[in-house]
Amino acid sequence: DTGVSQNPRHKITKRGQNVTFRCDPISEHNRLYWYRQTLGQGPEFLTYFQNEAQLEKSRLLSDRFSAERPKGSFSTLEIQRTEQGDSAMYLCASSLFGAPGDGNEKLFFGSGTQLSVL
Amino acid sequence: AQTVTQSQPEMSVQEAETVTLSCTYDTSESDYYLFWYKQPPSRQMILVIRQEAYKQQNATENRFSVNFQKAAKSFSLKISDSQLGDAAMYFCAYRSPGNMLTFGGGTRLMVKP
Repeated sequence: DTGVSQNPRHKITKRGQNVTFRCDPISEHNRLYWYRQTLGQGPEFLTYFQNEAQLEKSRLLSDRFSAERPKGSFSTLEIQRTEQGDSAMYLCASSLFGAPGDGNEKLFFGSGTQLSVL
Repeated sequence: AQTVTQSQPEMSVQEAETVTLSCTYDTSESDYYLFWYKQPPSRQMILVIRQEAYKQQNATENRFSVNFQKAAKSFSLKISDSQLGDAAMYFCAYRSPGNMLTFGGGTRLMVKP
């Protein structure tokens, strides 16, 4: 297992186009998180899944954003009608929640997808 | 809502010296966890150290240690014997049980040879 994998590493798109990112978590992890990070800022929470269920969405997640985790394994994040303000690094993290004896899950992050909207 | 504040946008330290990065947070909860993450130029977030709020003893991981002051809602990171590889962005983060991480704005650490 090589950790959390995100594809693509970089995406350049024109304003108005749709883009989709993929995250493959660590295989036994049941939780998967999406964060967005702009240059010089800390990551901001977007949404997370436990297995295939999307449990929480941030107010940052406009109607143009949608995330799925159809089989409780990999996840996709789609942005429709991209805007220049969507340019950011999109980070995925996974964790094993509810493991016996460990009340504090550890999040493991991928290397992110850098989106540039022209 | 919980907030995390890092008041030092940039810090600089001489190689082999000690540096302390500051973090304060705001919460009304009594049970929570605090973390320091390192983000090198590769942009991958790496967990440096974590602290459970119910533990009075400060966490330590090799050259990294924290000063956790629960009443003051302060959680600073001390890096001893700084190395060139420690240069990175450092983020303080807060999490209540079962919830997502909330990050501070980050501190850029530069290490001078």
